[in-house]
Amino acid sequence: QQQVKQSPQSLIVQKGGIPIINCAYENTAFDYFPWYQQFPGKGPALLIAIRPDVSEKKEGRFTISFNKSAKQFSLHIMDSQPGDSATYFCAARSAGNQGGKLIFGQGTELSVKP
Amino acid sequence: ETGVTQSPTHLIKTRGQQVTLRCSSQSGHNTVSWYQQALGQGPQFIFQYYREEENGRGNFPPRFSGLQFPNYSSELNVNALELDDSALYLCASSLVATQETQYFGPGTRLLVL
Repeated sequence: QQQVKQSPQSLIVQKGGIPIINCAYENTAFDYFPWYQQFPGKGPALLIAIRPDVSEKKEGRFTISFNKSAKQFSLHIMDSQPGDSATYFCAARSAGNQGGKLIFGQGTELSVKP
Repeated sequence: ETGVTQSPTHLIKTRGQQVTLRCSSQSGHNTVSWYQQALGQGPQFIFQYYREEENGRGNFPPRFSGLQFPNYSSELNVNALELDDSALYLCASSLVATQETQYFGPGTRLLVL
């Protein structure tokens, strides 16, 4: 119940395409859903985040869509660029007595071809 | 404002040894969380420190321990190293324990032979 399932494992798109990465969760106590971007040899960097009372959030070329009833959320990257090639992780925060514990998905390796 | 820093960047140890990893939190942040990231996997929560006390722990054995100092920097100690401990160890800081946004450092890559 504490898992976050992420798909696909890898994704290849052409420059300008719109990659979509999906995540699903079971625990309805999760109260915050961030997406992180990680380049090889670097730590994860926060891209965008959403709370379950919002169905969509946009920041620049990145959009999160959130479906509370289906317990699913997804990341869309508009007008993708080769520089977006990285591994993307969805996560969920477990509220309550574990402070800010984040539970991460398995990651999606995105490759944007020129 | 300085970001989260970690040291060392890389480390090689042998099975059974002990290791200490260090983290300096982002300026003004009083909460530090530690994560283990195995190759090809997402980070897994080890524990969190808030005001020098452990404030939540993931599914890791007691040989994983930590400290937080008055300046909010932190250490992760791992005793009796096992081959499966080989991973990237990430430190993340946040303004307070309940704040959602966690800022990650670059990590320490540990290899256990």
